[in-house]
Amino acid sequence: EDQVTQSPEALRLQEGESSSLNCSYTVSGLRGLFWYRQDPGKGPEFLFTLYSAGEEKEKERLKATLTKKESFLHITAPKPEDSATYLCAVHTGTASKLTFGTGTRLQVTL
Amino acid sequence: DTEVTQTPKHLVMGMTNKKSLKCEQHMGHRAMYWYKQKAKKPPELMFVYSYEKLSINESVPSRFSPECPNSSLLNLHLHALQPEDSALYLCASSQDGTSPETQYFGPGTRLLVL
Repeated sequence: EDQVTQSPEALRLQEGESSSLNCSYTVSGLRGLFWYRQDPGKGPEFLFTLYSAGEEKEKERLKATLTKKESFLHITAPKPEDSATYLCAVHTGTASKLTFGTGTRLQVTL
Repeated sequence: DTEVTQTPKHLVMGMTNKKSLKCEQHMGHRAMYWYKQKAKKPPELMFVYSYEKLSINESVPSRFSPECPNSSLLNLHLHALQPEDSALYLCASSQDGTSPETQYFGPGTRLLVL
């Protein structure tokens, strides 16, 4: 059975304090790994898709990387508006099914 | 434009009521999804429609009844719900339901069952 684990569960950073969120996965045949950001009471907002080990993608202060066992979401010099829950999801097999991790709740303070 | 819209934003219903949730997208996507999300938990897949046909039903109770009238619209009909069905219901869409492809989510409907 596919498993996705995110760590830490919660992370509190000061503005400007860079850090990384981890998403480790145990799946049979990864076909895509997705990062989403979710604000309280809202739907997940798409950030990145990674397809193969070694791939990296960047958007503003965020950078996502992928290895054969895990993905990292690096946040450089975060701002309070980066506070949200960050969800990782994997896509395996041929079915249109995402398996989500439990998320990392990020709080960035002044 | 990657917008998926959902109505209503909030819904309160009794256990004997019948209500419907609506989802719409105009991105030309041919796959649409319903997810259920409880507080501090990740989204859980309920149903997948691909080319207006139900392709995945994740053993959802029959009190939830999905409908896909056309490629842009997705409904979720609710009947005789239980208080434990209270959650955020999310709709998503993607290109055509083949793997792998990005799913774009709507803002959700917050449902409270009394």
